Amino acid sequence: AQKVTQAQTEISVVEKEDVTLDCVYETRDTTYYLFWYKQPPSGELVFLIRRNSFDEQNEISGRYSWNFQKSTSSFNFTITASQVVDSAVYFCALRLIYNQGGKLIFGQGTELSVKP
Amino acid sequence: DTEVTQTPKHLVMGMTNKKSLKCEQHMGHRAMYWYKQKAKKPPELMFVYSYEKLSINESVPSRFSPECPNSSLLNLHLHALQPEDSALYLCASSQGGTTYEQYFGPGTRLTVT
Repeated sequence: AQKVTQAQTEISVVEKEDVTLDCVYETRDTTYYLFWYKQPPSGELVFLIRRNSFDEQNEISGRYSWNFQKSTSSFNFTITASQVVDSAVYFCALRLIYNQGGKLIFGQGTELSVKP
Repeated sequence: DTEVTQTPKHLVMGMTNKKSLKCEQHMGHRAMYWYKQKAKKPPELMFVYSYEKLSINESVPSRFSPECPNSSLLNLHLHALQPEDSALYLCASSQGGTTYEQYFGPGTRLTVT
């Protein structure tokens, strides 16, 4: 069975702190994609990153960075120097390459609150 | 341009009404999706259209009826809904095939009275 676990339900930090959101996934497939989405209070899910299972290179995009480790089935997301605008619910998701129709398997989400 | 638009933004309907939600994208994407999201929960997939054909129906009740008139448009027809159907309905699209990221619209917040 495929599953995504985001153990942190809520995180609260003060602006400029660094914060890491954890994501652990389960699948027996060897080929798959992992995603992170941001959902601000407005409701729209914003795509942040896609990573395929053959590419374990870490990625950095501005204040955002992602650490993918197949050995621990984790795909963690770090925000450096957090800002109030980072406040949102963040979802990690898994998609199997050969899964019919491209169904995304979402984690339960982590609600991040960044206080000024 | 990675925009998916949805109308209306908000909808209040009675249990005997018939209404429709509309979704549109002009990115040339060939897969389109409907999701339902309850508060504090992740989105749940309802339907997938691939190249304008329904490819996945996640055992959704027949009171929800999807339609894909062309590659840019996706509708969700609603009839005889229940109060528990109140939720945020999200539309998404992706390039053809199952490997690409999905781009989401802002959603329609539906309240069934």
